[in-house]
Amino acid sequence: AQSVTQLDSQVPVFEEAPVELRCNYSSSVSVYLFWYVQYPNQGLQLLLKYLSGSTLVKGINGFEAEFNKSQTSFHLRKPSVHISDTAEYFCAVGPRETSGSRLTFGEGTQLTVNP
Amino acid sequence: DAGITQSPRHKVTETGTPVTLRCHQTENHRYMYWYRQDPGHGLRLIHYSYGVKDTDKGEVSDGYSVSRSKTEDFLLTLESATSSQTSVYFCAISESKVWRLGYGYTFGSGTRLTVV
Repeated sequence: AQSVTQLDSQVPVFEEAPVELRCNYSSSVSVYLFWYVQYPNQGLQLLLKYLSGSTLVKGINGFEAEFNKSQTSFHLRKPSVHISDTAEYFCAVGPRETSGSRLTFGEGTQLTVNP
Repeated sequence: DAGITQSPRHKVTETGTPVTLRCHQTENHRYMYWYRQDPGHGLRLIHYSYGVKDTDKGEVSDGYSVSRSKTEDFLLTLESATSSQTSVYFCAISESKVWRLGYGYTFGSGTRLTVV
C-alpha cells in the first residue's frame, strides 16, 4: 500500500516569489510519482510526472519537481510564480509493477498567489 | 477534458433518493475510476473498474454501487443519498498496460452533488 502526505494545506505567496510545495510518500514497492493541478471549478490536470531517470523533472507552466528516493519526497517548485498559478495542487503515487493500479492522492495544497 | 465526459455537472437531490452519475469516455481505456473530493481529504477512491463487468471497491465504497456494461460508460449510484455524500465526484480513466501506467490518469470535469 502507498500513502502520500502533503505537508502544507495552504501556501500563500506574493507574485514573482519562488514557491515549494512539499510531498512525502510511503510505499513498500517502487513507484511512479505525479503532481496534478486543479484550477477553480475544474478537473485535475497532469502537471508533471517522475517515471525513471533524472531525478529532476520539468513540467508545464515552469514547474519542476525533484525526486529524492532516500527521503521519499517529491517536492514541487517554481522559481517565480504568477497570479494564474493560484490553484490546488495534488501529489499522487502509484505502484510500478501492477497493471492499471490505482493512484493514491495527497490531501492537496492550496497555492494562493497575491499581487 | 478531451475524451471523458461526466454528467450531470451539478445536481441537488433530497436525502433518501437514489442518484446515478455517469462517466463516458471515448478513449477506449480499460480502467475507470470514481473519486470523491472533499476539503481536507483530497481525492478518495470510491470504486474502480478494470473492464466490462469487472469492478472493485475503493476505500470509501459504503453507500455506493457501480456498473460497467460497456467499455465507454461507468455509472456511479448512490443507493439512498445522505448529506455526508455531498461532494464533488470525479471520474478518471487510464491506460491498461503496465508500461503506460506512468501516464497516470485523465480526469473528467467533475459532478458537484448536493444532498439536502
